[in-house]
Amino acid sequence: EAQVTQNPRYLITVTGKKLTVTCSQNMNHEYMSWYRQDPGLGLRQIYYSMNVEVTDKGDVPEGYKVSRKEKRNFPLILESPSPNQTSLYFCASSKGNLNTEAFFGQGTRLTVV
Amino acid sequence: AQSVTQPDIHITVSEGASLELRCNYSYGATPYLFWYVQSPGQGLQLLLKYFSGDTLVQGIKGFEAEFKRSQSSFNLRKPSVHWSDAAEYFCAVGVIRDDKIIFGKGTRLHILP
Repeated sequence: EAQVTQNPRYLITVTGKKLTVTCSQNMNHEYMSWYRQDPGLGLRQIYYSMNVEVTDKGDVPEGYKVSRKEKRNFPLILESPSPNQTSLYFCASSKGNLNTEAFFGQGTRLTVV
Repeated sequence: AQSVTQPDIHITVSEGASLELRCNYSYGATPYLFWYVQSPGQGLQLLLKYFSGDTLVQGIKGFEAEFKRSQSSFNLRKPSVHWSDAAEYFCAVGVIRDDKIIFGKGTRLHILP
């Protein structure tokens, strides 16, 4: 089954404690991205990757890092989480960039206290 | 700057009634346009997309949308809603120059029995 898998689904952490949210897709997609979803703000892109070793900033990249060492994986790293990073995070992948369907993971709800 | 506006934050309709969700975009060229649906606790799923050609596009779950260039709109419609259509709906535009997708803030659809 074609899918995008994020882990964990829920995470509560403390300020400053480094964390990684994993994202893996099994569709051999080139394009992957991370979004955060906040009430009243919709989805905002954090980072995206057009292929292995190619990543770029989205609209709200501050406080986040990503890597794309393998085509299937695109982890999101919070080196020093802060409470304003409490949010619902989605990973998405697509075959191309704009003109193809994006497949979304089920989301990771992160709370930073 | 490119933008997507969904004027209605919440919409409530009775089961069996018709539905129209509004979406307006701001973009200098013919955009790629999408509608996604997010069911509670789930990621986003593509309902339909428009790239070119026939301005009335059919999607999954009985939805359709019409691209109107003169009004910069891409409204989503369904002739008769079902209780399972209760969800949040996102309109999105693909920005070719910046190689990214911009999402609207979403419209939450409530269905009355």
